[in-house]
Amino acid sequence: AQKVTQAQTEISVVEKEDVTLDCVYETRDTTYYLFWYKQPPSGELVFLIRRNSFDEQNEISGRYSWNFQKSTSSFNFTITASQVVDSAVYFCALTEGSQGNLIFGKGTKLSVKP
Amino acid sequence: SQTIHQWPATLVQPVGSPLSLECTVEGTSNPNLYWYRQAAGRGLQLLFYSVGIGQISSEVPQNLSASRPQDRQFILSSKKLLLSDSGFYLCAWGVGLETDTQYFGPGTRLTVL
Repeated sequence: AQKVTQAQTEISVVEKEDVTLDCVYETRDTTYYLFWYKQPPSGELVFLIRRNSFDEQNEISGRYSWNFQKSTSSFNFTITASQVVDSAVYFCALTEGSQGNLIFGKGTKLSVKP
Repeated sequence: SQTIHQWPATLVQPVGSPLSLECTVEGTSNPNLYWYRQAAGRGLQLLFYSVGIGQISSEVPQNLSASRPQDRQFILSSKKLLLSDSGFYLCAWGVGLETDTQYFGPGTRLTVL
């Protein structure tokens, strides 16, 4: 069965520190997609990235970067030079089936202190 | 551009009362629509999804139901709420049948007393 594990329940850093959020997944599918979403205090989930299983290139978007390693079934998310506005719960997710149903991890709450 | 609306934003209901939450999407046609629940201290749980008008798939058996009377409208209902129905309900849409990105609405926070 598909599963997403975010072992870090909460992380607290000081502004400008780099922080990495871990995500480990399990799936028997050879074709799958991985996602990261951000949930700020307002509650709405904001899409950050989608990565398919055939593309292991790392991706960088501003201060955000993602490291996808199939060998370890991991899709980690790094925020460089964190800011207070990065404080949120971050969810890693995996799709299963043909309808794109997302399997979410339990989330990591990131607190960035000034 | 596409937008997704949910209402109400917050709701406080007594146990045993009915429920109706609405979700509408603008700017796209024939989207897949999803209802998720996020209970306190728990992750996101998929409740229902729909690939078209009148087509509803249930992921978790419970006292909730969903309907899709129009292409871009998705409704979550209950005849009698339970305390355990409290939570944050999120509607999402996606275009395409396979592993597409889902975009979420602002959510409805439901408290059942």
